[in-house]
Formats: sequence, structure tokens, C-alpha cells
Amino acid sequence: ELKVEQNPLFLSMQEGKNYTIYCNYSTTSDRLYWYRQDPGKSLESLFVLLSNGAVKQEGRLMASLDTKARLSTLHITAAVHDLSATYFCAVDFTGTYKYIFGTGTRLKVLA
Amino acid sequence: SQTIHQWPATLVQPVGSPLSLECTVEGTSNPNLYWYRQAAGRGLQLLFYSVGIGQISSEVPQNLSASRPQDRQFILSSKKLLLSDSGFYLCACPLGRLLDSPLHFGNGTRLTVT
Repeated sequence: ELKVEQNPLFLSMQEGKNYTIYCNYSTTSDRLYWYRQDPGKSLESLFVLLSNGAVKQEGRLMASLDTKARLSTLHITAAVHDLSATYFCAVDFTGTYKYIFGTGTRLKVLA
Repeated sequence: SQTIHQWPATLVQPVGSPLSLECTVEGTSNPNLYWYRQAAGRGLQLLFYSVGIGQISSEVPQNLSASRPQDRQFILSSKKLLLSDSGFYLCACPLGRLLDSPLHFGNGTRLTVT
């Protein structure tokens, strides 16, 4: 079964703190994506991770991929209120046309 | 770059009524197309995907169906809506033609079944 799991589901953190969101997936894939969704809006692509050891950074967000462990992380550094949103990882499973999404992590950054 | 048009933006329909949601794509040809549903406060559920005209793969058949009558048109339908069909419906296609392209999403249709 093609499964993608994220944790935590909810995350409330203070401004200035660091935290990591985890994304695990069930079977072989070399392509993993991170998205952001603001309340009531569609999804916006953040990162594309294409190989084992890939690391991408944009501002206070850094994403990494370990294909052997089937794990990706999204690390938040010195959080600010503007990062409050729901973050999804998605996996494009090898040999299929399917993009399967994780459950999402709802992040709330408190001032 | 691709643009995905979805309409309507919001829709309120009674239980048992039919449904037709349309998605059209500009800026590319023969894209793979996807329909997802997001229930309130939940993740994205893949409903259907299509790799070409007339080709539909169903992930969650239930009472929904999809059709692709033209290269850049993808339609989601139901003959009789259920309360559980309420949600945010998103159409998507890969941003580029390479296998490693992320999905690009339309603005979605928020459906409330009453």
C-alpha cells in the first residue's frame, strides 16, 4: 500500500524556536515534495527533493531526504508568525503516476 | 507556465443532486491531470488521475466519476451527492514535463452538500 505519514499533526510553537516536521513513506521513491497551504487556499510548492541526501533551503525552512530510511524532514529555524500554515509532504511513487500526500502538519507560530 | 482554471469557486448543493466540476489547463499539452478532495481540516485524498484523453484511473470510486473529453479538460461528476462529498476539490497537473515535476494546483472548488 502506498502510504505517506507525517508527524506531528499539530504544532504550536513560540516565535524564535526551532522545530522539525517528519514525513515517512511506505515504499520506493526518489522524489518527494513539500507544500504549504494557507487557510482556505490552494497548495503552493515549496521544495522538490530528487535524490538521497538532497537538501534544499529557503529562508527559515530547510528540507532533506533520506531515501534509504524513506524519511524526509522539514526543519524550521527561528520561527516567525508568517510561517503559520499547514505543511504537506507528497511522494511520487516510482512506477506509478500517483502523488500521495501526507496527512499534513498544522503549524501555528505564537508571537 | 501552466495555469489551471477551476469553477465554480464555491458551490452549495442539496443531497441527491448532481454535480459537475470542471478543470481546464493552459500553457501545456497532454498533461497528466489529477482530482483531489480535502475534507475539512484533513489531508488530500487522490480521487482520479488521467494520463491522456479518455484515460481515467480511479482511486476512490464511490459515487464520483471523472472524464477527460479534451486534452486539457478534466471533469468531476456525481449523479447523486452525499453529505460526505462535502469538501475542497482541487485539480492539479505537474508543473513541467519531467518526471520530477511537483504538482501545480488550481484554486479549488469548495463544495458544501446540505
